[in-house]
Amino acid sequence: AQSVSQHNHHVILSEAASLELGCNYSYGGTVNLFWYVQYPGQHLQLLLKYFSGDPLVKGIKGFEAEFIKSKFSFNLRKPSVQWSDTAEYFCAVNEGRDDKIIFGKGTRLHILP
Amino acid sequence: NAGVTQTPKFQVLKTGQSMTLQCAQDMNHNSMYWYRQDPGMGLRLIYYSASEGTTDKGEVPNGYNVSRLNKREFSLRLESAAPSQTSVYFCASSGISLGTGELFFGEGSRLTVL
Repeated sequence: AQSVSQHNHHVILSEAASLELGCNYSYGGTVNLFWYVQYPGQHLQLLLKYFSGDPLVKGIKGFEAEFIKSKFSFNLRKPSVQWSDTAEYFCAVNEGRDDKIIFGKGTRLHILP
Repeated sequence: NAGVTQTPKFQVLKTGQSMTLQCAQDMNHNSMYWYRQDPGMGLRLIYYSASEGTTDKGEVPNGYNVSRLNKREFSLRLESAAPSQTSVYFCASSGISLGTGELFFGEGSRLTVL
């Protein structure tokens, strides 16, 4: 069964620091990969997605992620975080063979002003 | 543009009571989902439906039933609610089978079981 691991449960950074959040998945076949963000009191919004092609994916708000197939990873990065990036971030995986989409447990990001 | 609409937004039940969460989408998506969100557990998939007339179990289906009434609607039923089902429930839809993939979420339903 597919699974998704997010290693960082809670990250605290200062503004302008660089960010990298880890995501690993277990499925060995074709996958579609997502990062979602949930701001306090809101539902999830898509940051970026990878279906195929260039493994370096750029999303909204300056976020990007790199798909490394050999490492089963899809880490989220941002060169310089802002206070407004304070939120919870979720990695999600879809096995290409069906419509099931599984989420990781999330990483709570807190940016200090 | 309504997107995904789920009702009710809040509900308090006593142990053993039943209820149905309703969800409808107007984006002509084939795939619909029910997730529950609990602190520290992320979103866990309860059931999903790849198309009208089909449903499949997700990660935590026990204690729940679903119905894909038509392409627009996907309901989640708790037959005999338990305190462990206290959670925030999200309905979502996606065109993933068409290659677009993004999940569109409803506003969530906060359920408390006493």
